[in-house]
Amino acid sequence: ETGVTQTPRHLVMGMTNKKSLKCEQHLGHNAMYWYKQSAKKPLELMFVYNFKEQTENNSVPSRFSPECPNSSHLFLHLHTLQPEDSALYLCASSSDGGDTQYFGPGTRLTVL
Amino acid sequence: QKEVEQDPGPLSVPEGAIVSLNCTYSNSAFQYFMWYRQYSRKGPELLMYTYSSGNKEDGRFTAQVDKSSKYISLFIRDSQPSDSATYLCAMIPTDSGSARQLTFGSGTQLTVLP
Repeated sequence: ETGVTQTPRHLVMGMTNKKSLKCEQHLGHNAMYWYKQSAKKPLELMFVYNFKEQTENNSVPSRFSPECPNSSHLFLHLHTLQPEDSALYLCASSSDGGDTQYFGPGTRLTVL
Repeated sequence: QKEVEQDPGPLSVPEGAIVSLNCTYSNSAFQYFMWYRQYSRKGPELLMYTYSSGNKEDGRFTAQVDKSSKYISLFIRDSQPSDSATYLCAMIPTDSGSARQLTFGSGTQLTVLP
């Protein structure tokens, strides 16, 4: 595997379910990011991790819970989501101090 | 007012046309400017990066920055059907930490018709 991978690619869940999104980067980067992409809206930065430490949480509801066990892996734990949380969730990584972020293909999430 | 404004389109052009994509911004702290391209069912990929006013050229692509007007553009010459994608502008302020925080435009959907 090369670059940034995300699993699953598609996820349908009910409002009472608990699920997790996984991201893995194979680029040796130290910073990882979660973004939400909704139709016709700019990418919304959700969380930032640098050297496994969370450095940003952009007022994201607590039903989204990130986890970064090491610099290569990033998870987004989901529970009791709302239909308006349906979106494409993108993971990205960058080197420390690097301006270029490399994105994964995203997980298309549908909340019923 | 959004920090970054981008016309969402959609924009359809015939093959071979010159395409102009634009973003305006309000935050004068933005100093680094990027264009990402996102194909359907893919994540965004970096297309162009610049940090100074003026033009930067890479093949058929030219990125233009006018900091005095807070306006950036991406020009695509001799457009091809393979250029059909959503184009996202993104910006970084000077005070961004070592894990850069990008502010994105909403994206312009481009279709190049054969």
